[in-house]
Amino acid sequence: DAGVTQSPTHLIKTRGQQVTLRCSPKSGHDTVSWYQQALGQGPQFIFQYYEEEERQRGNFPDRFSGHQFPNYSSELNVNALLLGDSALYLCASSLGLLQYQETQYFGPGTRLLVL
Amino acid sequence: AQKVTQAQTEISVVEKEDVTLDCVYETRDTTYYLFWYKQPPSGELVFLIRRNSFDEQNEISGRYSWNFQKSTSSFNFTITASQVVDSAVYFCALSELKTGANSKLTFGKGITLSVRP
Repeated sequence: DAGVTQSPTHLIKTRGQQVTLRCSPKSGHDTVSWYQQALGQGPQFIFQYYEEEERQRGNFPDRFSGHQFPNYSSELNVNALLLGDSALYLCASSLGLLQYQETQYFGPGTRLLVL
Repeated sequence: AQKVTQAQTEISVVEKEDVTLDCVYETRDTTYYLFWYKQPPSGELVFLIRRNSFDEQNEISGRYSWNFQKSTSSFNFTITASQVVDSAVYFCALSELKTGANSKLTFGKGITLSVRP
């Protein structure tokens, strides 16, 4: 049973550049959530995708955008990178049942360093 | 707004000691879920346990146990007979039930647990 996978594992970018991170959900899951984890902090919710639509969004600027594909995989895009975007980006997948809170399972993350 | 507070930042114990990790939460909803995740140095968050707001029964699962008390808004997690492999950062998280989508998780800042041989 394949778990949540993310690519790349590490990434180094410079300020102003754009980056795309990728996530494949756990087998059988249809909902993908993205979180940003700064060093020494807990993960912060960015947004969630279900049925190829953004369903919820956290307190992140429009520079952060995403997409979900028909096979449920997802991308996180960040434009105009800032030094403060350096963090571990975690993808979580779950089964999007209505009126029920499913457990979110996390991938290994992508470590982004912005110089 | 939801909030999770993990007042302990770092805990160090000797192997085989029991250790309790504290978690206090705030929410306005009557229906919510609480979780504990473990994050080893590799970075991946590993799901440990979950509890919904309707079930205050405390349980034991192997070396893990948890104490959920709505009256004090606490959801504490205990590891019995700790092992070196338990060394990690432990996060408590809260989610509120949302119709139409899984709700976001709100995390605490985490507790770094070090288990010495």
